[in-house]
Parts: sequence; C-alpha cells; structure tokens
Amino acid sequence: GQQLNQSPQSMFIQEGEDVSMNCTSSSIFNTWLWYKQDPGEGPVLLIALYKAGELTSNGRLTAQFGITRKDSFLNISASIPSDVGIYFCAGTFGGSNYKLTFGKGTLLTVNP
Amino acid sequence: DAGVIQSPRHEVTEMGQEVTLRCKPISGHDYLFWYRQTMMRGLELLIYFNNNVPIDDSGMPEDRFSAKMPNASFSTLKIQPSEPRDSAVYFCASTKQGRGEQFFGPGTRLTVL
Repeated sequence: GQQLNQSPQSMFIQEGEDVSMNCTSSSIFNTWLWYKQDPGEGPVLLIALYKAGELTSNGRLTAQFGITRKDSFLNISASIPSDVGIYFCAGTFGGSNYKLTFGKGTLLTVNP
Repeated sequence: DAGVIQSPRHEVTEMGQEVTLRCKPISGHDYLFWYRQTMMRGLELLIYFNNNVPIDDSGMPEDRFSAKMPNASFSTLKIQPSEPRDSAVYFCASTKQGRGEQFFGPGTRLTVL
C-alpha cells in the first residue's frame, strides 16, 4: 500500500525551541492531516489541509500542504513541555476521501 | 459535546476467546472507522462504514474479524477466536460527509494471552 515517509522519527529539544517535521509520499494526496497522540489516548486532530499550497495555523502550530501535493510539514514554535507526544501525519489519495494513510510518527521530547 | 466513545478501555482475554469492542460515534457523523495500532505496523484502517453500511473492509486481517453497525450510534468489532497476535490498541473514529478530518476515540487496549 501507499507509504508515508515521516521524519524525523524522534526529536529531543529544549523548551522554547522551534520544531519542524515533515511527511512525503510518492503519490499525490488530496488531504493532509496532522494529529498528536498522548500515551494511552487516541490521536487528536491538530490541523487539516485541503488545498495545495495551503498554510494553516493553530496557535503555535503551523502546517502546510506542499505545492506538489506530495508533502506536508508541521512547525511548532516556542515549544513547551506539554508539546511532548507523538505527532502523526495522515492523508487521503486516489479516489477515496475517507481512507486515511498514516505516517509512522515523530516522537517529540521537550526538556524543560 | 461528547466525543467518540469506546468500551472497554482495556480487555485482557485468553487465546481462543471471543472479543467484542464497542464504539459510539459523534452524534451527526455518518462515517465510522475502525483502526488498529501496533508498534510494528503503526495505525492501520480496518474497515469503514457510511450510513451504517460497510464501504471498505479491505483492511480486515482475516475472517476472524467482523464488524457491524446496526444503527447510527453504535458499532462493534468482533474477533473470534482471538489470537495473541491480535494484541493491539483498537481505535474507532468518525466524521461527517464531505469532511476529511476524522475524530478518534480513546481506544481499547486488547491483550490476548
């Protein structure tokens, strides 16, 4: 099946630093979504992107739908300890608007 | 508003037993999804429903797995008989027609001994 390459796999940063992570695919995607998952919980939607080139912010989070439609990035500015968790990219491609494919996740650790 | 509700949150069973996982989607959502999450394979879509009708079950691993949605507010995922390799976290998610974003429940952690 379609693979999403998410990088980096993990990040260790100091509180206050900015963070960037991205996802790439070999196929053209129709939507890109970014989720955060805390231990023992389900993924929580952070940002949804629907158009190539779209840049959307949610507080300290900013995500973009790549112009080629094959990639997306998520930036977190001025990280805080509660940003710790696993961040997943996900998207739909081909003829389906509902079958989500997920990346493997980026584990973020923030040192206070 | 209540989010997606799943029960039980944890299930421990012995190999060969039947397991039933339950999900209540967000009210007004007409799409419901079942996912499985493991360390090895990540998050995988098992099956999804639209208006209570199964649309795509290509992710269901084998015949031991079955899912039903008898009405708009309830779905079950059943494993019979269960095997140790079925141990995983199972998530239910829902969304509305025309929306790409899916909202996830807290998951059921299944352990098959």
